Amino acid sequence: DAMVIQNPRYQVTQFGKPVTLSCSQTLNHNVMYWYQQKSSQAPKLLFHYYDKDFNNEADTPDNFQSRRPNTSFCFLDIRSPGLGDAAMYLCATSVRVNYEQYFGPGTRLTVT
Amino acid sequence: AQSVTQLDSHVSVSEGTPVLLRCNYSSSYSPSLFWYVQHPNKGLQLLLKYTSAATLVKGINGFEAEFKKSETSFHLTKPSAHMSDAAEYFCVVSGGSGTYKYIFGTGTRLKVLA
Repeated sequence: DAMVIQNPRYQVTQFGKPVTLSCSQTLNHNVMYWYQQKSSQAPKLLFHYYDKDFNNEADTPDNFQSRRPNTSFCFLDIRSPGLGDAAMYLCATSVRVNYEQYFGPGTRLTVT
Repeated sequence: AQSVTQLDSHVSVSEGTPVLLRCNYSSSYSPSLFWYVQHPNKGLQLLLKYTSAATLVKGINGFEAEFKKSETSFHLTKPSAHMSDAAEYFCVVSGGSGTYKYIFGTGTRLKVLA
């Protein structure tokens, strides 16, 4: 089945230690998104890629970076995680912007 | 500017009784509207979408929603709740005002009582 896959599902990192979260998709969608979701809140868009074009949200901290080496994969890098970065990180894809988004299962990040 | 309001943060129903989750939207243009469900520690699953075709939209797992432009509403319903429906539900608006972004409601937590 075509899908959005996120690895790992659970990630524990130490305060200040860089961490990378991974997302892959078999849908062959052009757009990939990264969202941050804190407990009992709606997801918050961090950035998205339309093909190779990177689009950062104005309020996304510089601590968060992303890479998209090819159509299938997208990575979220947190350079120096703080305690406030503990959250669920959701990857999503869509055929184009303005189309419905399909979400992966998420990675729950814990910062100790 | 677009916005979406989910009128209830928590809804409790008994198993086998109808479900109604309310959503109102604001958009200057013809929006696309979506309902997603999120079970604990899981991603968001698309239940249904409205994209200017039929105003009554049928989704997965017996859910449906009706787009009412005059009331700017997109309420989610299901005739008979199942225990597995217990989850968080998000109403989303997108596509108007030249923006592609998803505007999320604050979510409604549905509890199903045995």
